[in-house]
Amino acid sequence: QVHLVESGGGVVQPGGSVRLSCAASRFTFSDYPMHWVRQAPGKGLEWLSFISNDGTNKYNADSVRGRLTISRDNSKNTLYLDMNSLSAEDTAVYYCARSGVGGIFAAFDVWGQGTLVTVSS
Amino acid sequence: DILLTQSPSSLSTSVGDTVTLTCRAGRSISTSLNWYQQKPGKAPKLLISAASNLQSGVPSRFSGSGSGTDFTLTISSLQREDGATYYCQQCYSSRPTFGGGSKVEIK
Repeated sequence: QVHLVESGGGVVQPGGSVRLSCAASRFTFSDYPMHWVRQAPGKGLEWLSFISNDGTNKYNADSVRGRLTISRDNSKNTLYLDMNSLSAEDTAVYYCARSGVGGIFAAFDVWGQGTLVTVSS
Repeated sequence: DILLTQSPSSLSTSVGDTVTLTCRAGRSISTSLNWYQQKPGKAPKLLISAASNLQSGVPSRFSGSGSGTDFTLTISSLQREDGATYYCQQCYSSRPTFGGGSKVEIK
């Protein structure tokens, strides 16, 4: 069973930063582009960022541009998300998701269970 | 960004009913429209890709249709386990977007 496990969430102070990780298993991670998506409490899904399978192409949502960096280490089967200048509006469950065939122009066919980031003093 | 508007935002229905959820795009997206199911406290699950392609393992009572700007997700013979929030998502542009969701409550 294809598996994605996020980690790195927790309570972060306003203005702080966080690094989230997403560990992939049971599929060839280096073959697949990946995404980050978040969901604020009681709200809908918001796409944040995309990275191609080899890490050369990246896209970010305008809402977080400049504060977010997506990266990956294919030797460790791990995806990362670095966010800085956090505010209460960044409080959300953060999901990593695998992109199907077609890269960014494809459905998100596998999702992790999510990791909660709470921005609070 | 391409805006996706889902309707209804919520509905209450009964086991055995047929439910039709709609998703309207702000501009034509061909058939680059996917549907996800999310149950409380769980990650979203891909149900349908490219407007009408049912994912492996998804019950055949789920079906999708549409192209251009108007899309539908139909759930036939609703089961209790279908109570969830359903999201559409476009992958036509390099900035994917999601609709606001349709919450289906089983009476």
